[in-house]
Amino acid sequence: KAGVTQTPRYLIKTRGQQVTLSCSPISGHRSVSWYQQTPGQGLQFLFEYFSETQRNKGNFPGRFSGRQFSNSRSEMNVSTLELGDSALYLCASSLPDFGETQYFGPGTRLLVL
Amino acid sequence: AQSVTQLDSQVPVFEEAPVELRCNYSSSVSVYLFWYVQYPNQGLQLLLKYLSGSTLVKGINGFEAEFNKSQTSFHLRKPSVHISDTAEYFCAVTYSGSARQLTFGSGTQLTVLP
Repeated sequence: KAGVTQTPRYLIKTRGQQVTLSCSPISGHRSVSWYQQTPGQGLQFLFEYFSETQRNKGNFPGRFSGRQFSNSRSEMNVSTLELGDSALYLCASSLPDFGETQYFGPGTRLLVL
Repeated sequence: AQSVTQLDSQVPVFEEAPVELRCNYSSSVSVYLFWYVQYPNQGLQLLLKYLSGSTLVKGINGFEAEFNKSQTSFHLRKPSVHISDTAEYFCAVTYSGSARQLTFGSGTQLTVLP
């Protein structure tokens, strides 16, 4: 099976702009989670979607949002970008049961100038 | 609050030597435990996971980990490392009440020296 794919892989934006990142899960996986990775804060959970519904949300401001489509593909959006939003954004997909492995994509590296 | 502590931020070790990367978690409820590896400019790859049953878990690339409930630990071990094991290793936990949210430790950079 093809793995989790994320587009774009690299992105440069300026403060105040907004950005949309895309994630295509492994075929058959209906749960998609997003994580932010920074040198200072490490890996932090953003949110999880299952069957087009947000099931869980981490401690991030409302500028961070997401959605999931009927084909399980997911997007996350960050509005009014700040310098501190520069990070690697990782998407992971899994089967719905507790304890199921989350399979990660290669990430989108966002640089905010 | 849920937390995971990786006690060593950097671990240098010579090739073919054994290594242990330490991980402790806080929890009063059932947990599932994971070790992931991240190579430069890549996503995370699962090494192994503990859900229940035998406390000794074997994973890919010769790694294994032992779940110790009394000490709330899940240390990762490999008896003989290779240069190609150089990477960052993350311990993660998910709790039965947190859906699929993974809480990660801060990571341990393993550097294997020739």
